Amino acid sequence: ETGVTQTPRHLVMGMTNKKSLKCEQHLGHNAMYWYKQSAKKPLELMFVYSLEERVENNSVPSRFSPECPNSSHLFLHLHTLQPEDSALYLCASSQGGGSNQPQHFGDGTRLSIL
Amino acid sequence: ILNVEQSPQSLHVQEGDSTNFTCSFPSSNFYALHWYRWETAKSPEALFVMTLNGDEKKKGRISATLNTKEGYSYLYIKGSQPEDSATYLCAFDNAGNMLTFGGGTRLMVKP
Repeated sequence: ETGVTQTPRHLVMGMTNKKSLKCEQHLGHNAMYWYKQSAKKPLELMFVYSLEERVENNSVPSRFSPECPNSSHLFLHLHTLQPEDSALYLCASSQGGGSNQPQHFGDGTRLSIL
Repeated sequence: ILNVEQSPQSLHVQEGDSTNFTCSFPSSNFYALHWYRWETAKSPEALFVMTLNGDEKKKGRISATLNTKEGYSYLYIKGSQPEDSATYLCAFDNAGNMLTFGGGTRLMVKP
């Protein structure tokens, strides 16, 4: 139990569907992150929220839309995805925006696009 | 695009062997270097966050060193055990918790 919970664990969707990934952290952290892990590629930072403000979007396509309603919750809204978006999506949180804080990861959502 | 390289990509060792892996990263704009362990079907777990050149950190049988001037970090495991089998990730931070990850070293320890 890492204190970061992601739902659903697995998601299969068609290219025209709209779905959302959810992340919740119970650690009292104030920074949250979305990462993408594609097959045979390194973990790739997608979005960073610090104190509920988006800090970094790292040139992610607009078909991915993040939302951070409060410091404990983070969503990734998905629409009109492509087959190459099939990947493991990991959420993480950390205390503060400083670089000396480790990130705590959830177990991820395995997304498959048909 | 930041270049963070880990070597080797994979490693098979016998139980009881000691081993080490390398992470190389840009030597400019350094904020921190993170190490994580990622076991199959689990989430990545933080091992170390290193911020100072020459830093050395230890957690049980695992230790890490840091050289920011030449841009590398070593992770050492002493007396490997089967439960150490995992992928070890390093991540370079050049802007305050914006991590660029390496591809990982996959360690398999045979009993």
